[in-house]
Amino acid sequence: EPEVTQTPSHQVTQMGQEVILRCVPISNHLYFYWYRQILGQKVEFLVSFYNNEISEKSEIFDDQFSVERPDGSNFTLKIRSTKLEDSAMYFCASSGGPRDSSNEQFFGPGTRLTVL
Amino acid sequence: KNQVEQSPQSLIILEGKNCTLQCNYTVSPFSNLRWYKQDTGRGPVSLTIMTFSENTKSNGRYTATLDADTKQSSLHITASQLSDSASYICVVSAKRGGADGLTFGKGTHLIIQP
Repeated sequence: EPEVTQTPSHQVTQMGQEVILRCVPISNHLYFYWYRQILGQKVEFLVSFYNNEISEKSEIFDDQFSVERPDGSNFTLKIRSTKLEDSAMYFCASSGGPRDSSNEQFFGPGTRLTVL
Repeated sequence: KNQVEQSPQSLIILEGKNCTLQCNYTVSPFSNLRWYKQDTGRGPVSLTIMTFSENTKSNGRYTATLDADTKQSSLHITASQLSDSASYICVVSAKRGGADGLTFGKGTHLIIQP
């Protein structure tokens, strides 16, 4: 069964450094998302992406964040200058296959980002 | 502001017992409501999706209900198993299809004891 994959599973970085989190969505999906979950808190929406541009973004998704679909398979989240409060689990999701009217979102296993 | 509230925050039951988890939401406009299961350190996995016109939807031992008038939903788990131990998250979507960002509840942490 097709699934969303994410790499790395765990990323440790120093405050102020740039990180890129990578995702490979399900191959025939059209919509892509990033969410984050700070330890012990609820999952929060960051951004959605469709047709090579951002469709919607939350207040969390400020100028430090950017997303890109550099090729036909990868979807990346870049944090330019990480802060301590960026430490969280980051989930990628995809949805919208050709016959999907429910727009069910399928989540990857997550990347745990630790900022020191 | 769109919000999803869940109760109880945590629940411990014995294996084989049934349980019901609650969700209240204030999301507008309303498109659909989903229940997800999230194992510790893993991504959420969809259990059910219900639109405005659906009152009940089942997926094996999981049965979700939706009352769009009172903006309440419940997830009933029948004959619980040890593998049901996880967080159960109520998620509401405000858009019809497309790239809709979801509003998540904090989840109910369910522990099944042998």
